[in-house]
Amino acid sequence: KNQVEQSPQSLIILEGKNCTLQCNYTVSPFSNLRWYKQDTGRGPVSLTIMTFSENTKSNGRYTATLDADTKQSSLHITASQLSDSASYICVVSRSGAGSYQLTFGKGTKLSVIP
Amino acid sequence: SQTIHQWPATLVQPVGSPLSLECTVEGTSNPNLYWYRQAAGRGLQLLFYSVGIGQISSEVPQNLSASRPQDRQFILSSKKLLLSDSGFYLCAFSSGGVNTGELFFGEGSRLTVL
Repeated sequence: KNQVEQSPQSLIILEGKNCTLQCNYTVSPFSNLRWYKQDTGRGPVSLTIMTFSENTKSNGRYTATLDADTKQSSLHITASQLSDSASYICVVSRSGAGSYQLTFGKGTKLSVIP
Repeated sequence: SQTIHQWPATLVQPVGSPLSLECTVEGTSNPNLYWYRQAAGRGLQLLFYSVGIGQISSEVPQNLSASRPQDRQFILSSKKLLLSDSGFYLCAFSSGGVNTGELFFGEGSRLTVL
């Protein structure tokens, strides 16, 4: 069964601190893995997208890693800001023509406090 | 630039009433269009997708329907709402298959059925 599991479910950190969010998946055959940021009551916004051959990708203070062998990914946030408070969603897609299904994790809710 | 607009942002409807959520895309032609539902504590669930005008595929049998009357317009409808239809609905588009292309989300529509 294709699944994406994220941990922790929620996280509270102090402003300026770093944090790492985890994503494990069983989606096969693998095409790519994406991380989205979703502010409360808003639509998700893409942070990174990685294919099988990429093991790290950065977007400002966000750095995503991918280990396709162990089917794990992480999202590292450096020097957190209050505006980083949001849900972070890991999404994995399957390869194959005509594939329109993405498997979404339930997200990690991050709260950055002063 | 490519943009996506979705409305209304918030909707409170009585059980048994009809529903119409609209979504339009600008800055691209012949996009793939999607409707997702996001329930609290759960990952996004694909409801419908469309690869062209009048072409609708349903992923989950339900009380809802979708239509694509124009290339960049996608509508989610219901003739009679159920309590279980409450949720956060997201329209999205991609240029090409979602397994390889970037997926862009609208701002979402919060539906409460009373």
